[in-house]
Amino acid sequence: GENVEQHPSTLSVQEGDSAVIKCTYSDSASNYFPWYKQELGKGPQLIIDIRSNVGEKKDQRIAVTLNKTAKHFSLHITETQPEDSAVYFCAATDSWGKFQFGAGTQVVVTP
Amino acid sequence: EAGVAQSPRYKIIEKRQSVAFWCNPISGHATLYWYQQILGQGPKLLIQFQNNGVVDDSQLPKDRFSAERLKGVDSTLKIQPAKLEDSAVYLCASSSLKGATDTQYFGPGTRLTVL
Repeated sequence: GENVEQHPSTLSVQEGDSAVIKCTYSDSASNYFPWYKQELGKGPQLIIDIRSNVGEKKDQRIAVTLNKTAKHFSLHITETQPEDSAVYFCAATDSWGKFQFGAGTQVVVTP
Repeated sequence: EAGVAQSPRYKIIEKRQSVAFWCNPISGHATLYWYQQILGQGPKLLIQFQNNGVVDDSQLPKDRFSAERLKGVDSTLKIQPAKLEDSAVYLCASSSLKGATDTQYFGPGTRLTVL
């Protein structure tokens, strides 16, 4: 089955700096890669997703890149703000269409 | 548009007791998922429903966990009897199409503590 690895597990950045989170996956049949943000006491919320026919997607300060050959995808947050502090999860669908989540990255943005 | 609703938000029980969680998906969403999220980990799928039928329950511990979605809308997840290792957040999600390539929307979760 699919195996998703996510790095780093924690990330501390100064407000205004960029944050990058990387994920790798194992199933070459995976074709959908969402990113979720989870704030304390809340459920995960989709922030951006990318499909396998696209290499990059951007939405304001958030961007995701996908390298199918290397089987990795990354989340980029620019001009970080304190409200970006949360746990971020990547996910990939396996060949059965099931989500496999990474272990999460705790992002802390310090003013 | 109302989001995915879950109740209760918190539950504390002793081991060997029973507990049930309720989920109401986004209106019109045919696919419903239950996930278990242990502290410090990503969500793990327990069961997936398409309307009122089970699509995938391969990771559901069937000796103690059960779930149903009788009318293809609301769903309940039950644990009987609970073990210490069941302490986790139980998340419900829904999507409008079959398959995980459609966006899944999550509810706030139920935090279960088993003492």
